[in-house]
Amino acid sequence: DGGITQSPKYLFRKEGQNVTLSCEQNLNHDAMYWYRQDPGQGLRLIYYSQIVNDFQKGDIAEGYSVSREKKESFPLTVTSAQKNPTAFYLCASSISGFGETQYFGPGTRLLVL
Amino acid sequence: GESVGLHLPTLSVQEGDNSIINCAYSNSASDYFIWYKQESGKGPQFIIDIRSNMDKRQGQRVTVLLNKTVKHLSLQIAATQPGDSAVYFCAEIATGGYNKLIFGAGTRLAVHP
Repeated sequence: DGGITQSPKYLFRKEGQNVTLSCEQNLNHDAMYWYRQDPGQGLRLIYYSQIVNDFQKGDIAEGYSVSREKKESFPLTVTSAQKNPTAFYLCASSISGFGETQYFGPGTRLLVL
Repeated sequence: GESVGLHLPTLSVQEGDNSIINCAYSNSASDYFIWYKQESGKGPQFIIDIRSNMDKRQGQRVTVLLNKTVKHLSLQIAATQPGDSAVYFCAEIATGGYNKLIFGAGTRLAVHP
């Protein structure tokens, strides 16, 4: 099956802890994205990468970090600097860049203990 | 700033009826639009897209209409089924540059038997 996978489905973070969310795609897409979704709000872009070894900050990058060492993988780390991390995190990919349709993974819900 | 908004936060319909979900956009430079369906706890699922050189595009049981004059987009679902119950949101982008997809908050569609 081709698609985007995210793990884990649920993640719990303790105060001061960094946690990493996984995103893998086997669609051979160049571009990958991370969004944050809060109840009643639209998706907000955290980081995006349009090519391996390159990524750009989105609208709400503070407190997050990413890497893009492989085309198929784009992990997101939620650092202790992110003071309000509880949200639903969505990873997406597209063939090339923003002008293409983005396809989403199933999401990871992050909760703070 | 530029934004994508939806006219109705919740839409209730009877099973078998047709549904119409509306979306207003404010960026006249936007030339590509996407409708997504998101079921509870899941990632958004691509439904249909349309480019600004078209007024109408049809898929299976869904039709998207674009009125560039009034900057309005609608998603029509024919013979609505219980499985159509979800949040629907539109996204817009002005392609050809480094612009990002802008997502609306969504409209919840509730289908009643």
